[in-house]
Amino acid sequence: EAQVTQNPRYLITVTGKKLTVTCSQNMNHEYMSWYRQDPGLGLRQIYYSMNVEVTDKGDVPEGYKVSRKEKRNFPLILESPSPNQTSLYFCASSPRGHYNTEAFFGQGTRLTVV
Amino acid sequence: DAKTTQPPSMDCAEGRAANLPCNHSTISGNEYVYWYRQIHSQGPQYIIHGLKNNETNEMASLIITEDRKSSTLILPHATLRDTAVYYCIVRGRPYGSSNTGKLIFGQGTTLQVKP
Repeated sequence: EAQVTQNPRYLITVTGKKLTVTCSQNMNHEYMSWYRQDPGLGLRQIYYSMNVEVTDKGDVPEGYKVSRKEKRNFPLILESPSPNQTSLYFCASSPRGHYNTEAFFGQGTRLTVV
Repeated sequence: DAKTTQPPSMDCAEGRAANLPCNHSTISGNEYVYWYRQIHSQGPQYIIHGLKNNETNEMASLIITEDRKSSTLILPHATLRDTAVYYCIVRGRPYGSSNTGKLIFGQGTTLQVKP
C-alpha cells in the first residue's frame, strides 16, 4: 500500500530536549516536504527536498533541521524545541513538486513542548 | 500561485450531492485547480485536480467554469464520513529554480454532512 509513515504520532517533550520526527515513504518519490498546522494559520511549509541530498527552506524553517540521505526518508529535527513549536506536523511526498501530481500526506505528529 | 476563496462552512444532508464552490479569479493559464480534504486533523487527502476540462474520479467530480475563474467540487452522494475541511488550491508550473513545491492551503470549507 502506498503510504507516508510518520513517527511518533504523539509526543510530549520538554523545552530544549532534542527530538526527531521520522518520515518514510514507499513510493520512490523524489519530492518530500514538512508542514506544520496551527489553528487560524493553516498548513505552512517548513522544509522541502527535491531529491536525495537536496533540501531547502520553506516558509517557517526557524528552529528546524532536515536531512535527506536516502530517497525514502526525510526526518525533521528539532535541536532545541520551544513551546512555540507545539503544533501538528505533516510530512508529504510526491513524484515531483506537486505540479500536476497528487501529494501524499502522513497521518501527522502532534507535538507538545512544555 | 493564485489565491482562492471558499465559504467557511456548508451543510449537506446525507445521501444528497454536496457542491463546494471555489473562486480563483486570478488564475493563470498554466495553473491547475486541486482539491484536498482533511478529516479531523488527519493528513490531507487528495481528491481531484483539473486544468480546463471537467474531471471525474471515484471520489468526486470537478466542474471548472469556461473562464476558469471558479470551480465546484461535487460529492455525488455525501456520507457522514465525508464530513471534513475541503481545500481548494491553485498550483501552477514553476519556472526556473523557484519551485518550492508547496501547496498553499487556505482556510477551506468545513463540510458537515448531517443524517
